[in-house]
Order: sequence, then structure tokens, then C-alpha cells
Amino acid sequence: EVQLVESGGGLVQPGGSLRLSCAASGFTFSSYAMNWVRQAPGKGLEWVSTIRGSGGSTYYADSMKGRFTISRDNSKNTLYLQMNSLRAEDTAVYYCAKTVGGLPHGSFDYWGQGTLVTVSS
Amino acid sequence: DIQMTQSPSSVSASVGDRVTITCRASQDISSWLAWYQQKPGKAPKLLIYAASSLESGVPSRFSGSGYGTDFTLTISSLQPEDFATYYCQQANSFPQTFGQGTKVEIK
Repeated sequence: EVQLVESGGGLVQPGGSLRLSCAASGFTFSSYAMNWVRQAPGKGLEWVSTIRGSGGSTYYADSMKGRFTISRDNSKNTLYLQMNSLRAEDTAVYYCAKTVGGLPHGSFDYWGQGTLVTVSS
Repeated sequence: DIQMTQSPSSVSASVGDRVTITCRASQDISSWLAWYQQKPGKAPKLLIYAASSLESGVPSRFSGSGYGTDFTLTISSLQPEDFATYYCQQANSFPQTFGQGTKVEIK
């Protein structure tokens, strides 16, 4: 059974940093691109970032470029999102999600339960 | 960036009704279109991928169609568990973008 379990969310001050983790199990982690998607309170879904299975290529939404860094440790079956220079508008539930198939882009067939990040003083 | 526009933003319907939600892409995305269902406090669930392929385990009352820029999600006979918010997503190119969502409410 595929499982994705996020952790690392919490309350952080504007300008601060946070690292999210997503522990994966039930599939060959290194074979699939992984993603972060966020959802601000009461709002829709927003794609944040994608990393290829090998970790060799990464992709970011423009508003996160230069502030967020996606990475993965295939030996630990874990996905990460390092978030720096956090702003109030980064407040959201952050989901990790697995991409269908072997390409970096595609639909997301499995999602974690989400972790809440609150940026506030 | 490719913009995804869903309509309507909300729909009121009764159990047994046929419900149709549309999604329009600002440029050709071939069949790189997915549909998700999200219930309050829960993660999204993949319903349809590649515009018309039903994800394993999803009831056959859900169907998707379309190609290029215009896509449709149809629920043939609405069930009580289908009241939720539905999102389309283009997976053709980065940044992968979502529609703004369509809330299906009880009439």
C-alpha cells in the first residue's frame, strides 16, 4: 500500500525557515517524480515544485523560485521541501504527491495527508 | 503559463442528477488533463487522468472527455458521497496549474 506521510509543519515568523519532509512507502520511490502542492486556507490547489526520480531535475512555481528548494533522499525514501524567507502568503497546508508514470510531469495519483505551515508574528 | 478556467464555480444538485463541470486551458494541452475530488479537511483524490482514463477504484459514474483546450467531467448520477469540490489540472508542462475549483453542493 502506497503511503505518503508529511511532517515538519508549524508556526514560523515572517522571514523564517522551515523544512518539510515526506516519508514514502509502498512503491519504488526512486522511479517516480515527486511533488509539493499547497492549499491556502479556504483556497484552491497550487502546485509548488517537482523533482525527478533521480533528483537530477527540479521545477518550481515562479513565486517560490529562489526561496524554496525541493530535494530527495532515495536511500531514505524521503522527499523534502526547504522553505526560506517565508511570507504570510505562504501559509497553507502543504501536500506531497506522487506523479503517475515515469515522466516528471503528469497527474498525481497518491497524496499525503498534508502538513500545515503558518507564517505569522 | 497555462491558465485553467473551470465553470461553474459552484453547482447545486440533487442525488441522482447528472452534473457536468467544464475546464478550459489557455493553450493546447493535448490530453494532459486530470480531475481531482476533494472533501473538506482531506487530501485531493485522483479521479480521471489523461483526460478520459478512470483511475482504479473510482466509480464508473465519473467520466472525463475532451482534448486540446476544452474538457469535461461528468457525474452521471450524483450520489451523497459525491458532494465535494472538484479541480482540474493541466499536466502538459511546467508550471503545472490547477483550475480554481467547482463546489458541488446539495440542492
